[in-house]
Amino acid sequence: KAGVTQTPRYLIKTRGQQVTLSCSPISGHRSVSWYQQTPGQGLQFLFEYFSETQRNKGNFPGRFSGRQFSNSRSEMNVSTLELGDSALYLCASSLYPGRTGGESNEQFFGPGTRLTVL
Amino acid sequence: AQSVTQLGSHVSVSEGALVLLRCNYSSSVPPYLFWYVQYPNQGLQLLLKYTSAATLVKGINGFEAEFKKSETSFHLTKPSAHMSDAAEYFCAVSEAGGTSYGKLTFGQGTILTVHP
Repeated sequence: KAGVTQTPRYLIKTRGQQVTLSCSPISGHRSVSWYQQTPGQGLQFLFEYFSETQRNKGNFPGRFSGRQFSNSRSEMNVSTLELGDSALYLCASSLYPGRTGGESNEQFFGPGTRLTVL
Repeated sequence: AQSVTQLGSHVSVSEGALVLLRCNYSSSVPPYLFWYVQYPNQGLQLLLKYTSAATLVKGINGFEAEFKKSETSFHLTKPSAHMSDAAEYFCAVSEAGGTSYGKLTFGQGTILTVHP
């Protein structure tokens, strides 16, 4: 079974631009979560989508948004990029988080998209 | 609210020595606990997970962790370190059956260095 894929793997943008990152979950997984990883703040939860609905959101400004399509693929968008948005953006998929039962909660991570904002 | 504290941002051991990476958690509901490993320029790989079954959990690559509710700890151990274990390790918590859908809360990470 193929793992979580993220495209592109590397991206360079300038301040003020916007960017869209893509994530394809493991086949059969219905939930996609996004995380930002930086040296200073570590791994921080951005948001989670399930059945095309955002169910949970982290503490990030409205410039960060996302969506999920009917095939469970997800995209996240960052508008008006700032230098501080430079980070590794990780996507993770799982079967059905929130339901009791460990397998449902296990998250599988993609390799990430390295975003550099100049 | 849930939180994770990893004691020691850097741990250095000799090859063949015991590896002990410490993790303490805080959760208002029964937690699910995870250890992930990250190699340079890669995503996170799940080492092991605690989901309210056995308190001693065995994972991949010879790692194991013990859930101790009284100490709110979930420390990661490996009896004998290998050079290939050098990486960054993250402890994470999620709420079992709660409303924190798809949200993992991570510790700050521990970089493990293995000396020959």
